[in-house]
Amino acid sequence: ILNVEQSPQSLHVQEGDSTNFTCSFPSSNFYALHWYRWETAKSPEALFVMTLNGDEKKKGRISATLNTKEGYSYLYIKGSQPEDSATYLCAPHTGGYNKLIFGAGTRLAVHP
Amino acid sequence: DAGVTQSPTHLIKTRGQQVTLRCSPKSGHDTVSWYQQALGQGPQFIFQYYEEEERQRGNFPDRFSGHQFPNYSSELNVNALLLGDSALYLCASSLRAAQETQYFGPGTRLLVL
Repeated sequence: ILNVEQSPQSLHVQEGDSTNFTCSFPSSNFYALHWYRWETAKSPEALFVMTLNGDEKKKGRISATLNTKEGYSYLYIKGSQPEDSATYLCAPHTGGYNKLIFGAGTRLAVHP
Repeated sequence: DAGVTQSPTHLIKTRGQQVTLRCSPKSGHDTVSWYQQALGQGPQFIFQYYEEEERQRGNFPDRFSGHQFPNYSSELNVNALLLGDSALYLCASSLRAAQETQYFGPGTRLLVL
């Protein structure tokens, strides 16, 4: 059973702050890692799919890195804005049929 | 493109009843996965359908069953509802390949009384 841990559980930052959070997962049988942003009352929104050790992905002010050997991924937000307030979920999977195993998420609140 | 749609948005049932939730995938997608999200947890994988067959299943009892239709839409059925089945049920669609992004619908909120 895959054990996915995300930290911190929640985070409060001021507008303009940069922030980052962690996703830890077992490194064995790794196939890919997905990051999602989930705003309240909306559908989870796909941010990145990462597959290779050392992968770095970027989408606007959000970026992510991946270390498959040690089993972690970092998500960075530069210059946080109130609209970045959401729960950020990571979900690795070990191949096969794309069965995602989600962490509990990091809840980010950006205050003006 | 309407994206992934789910119906109904909310549902209230009583213990012992049965419920059917519906999902229409994103245009062009052939694979549908279902997840249950309980309060304070991440979504948990229930099962995945491809070519009208259940392809993979998570750790859920047989009370949870599903179906995929030729147009790729899908249903999730839960029999003999328990209070603990109260949750948000999410549907996600994707293409068959394992690395493909899964696109989620807004979910169906089920409350079992």
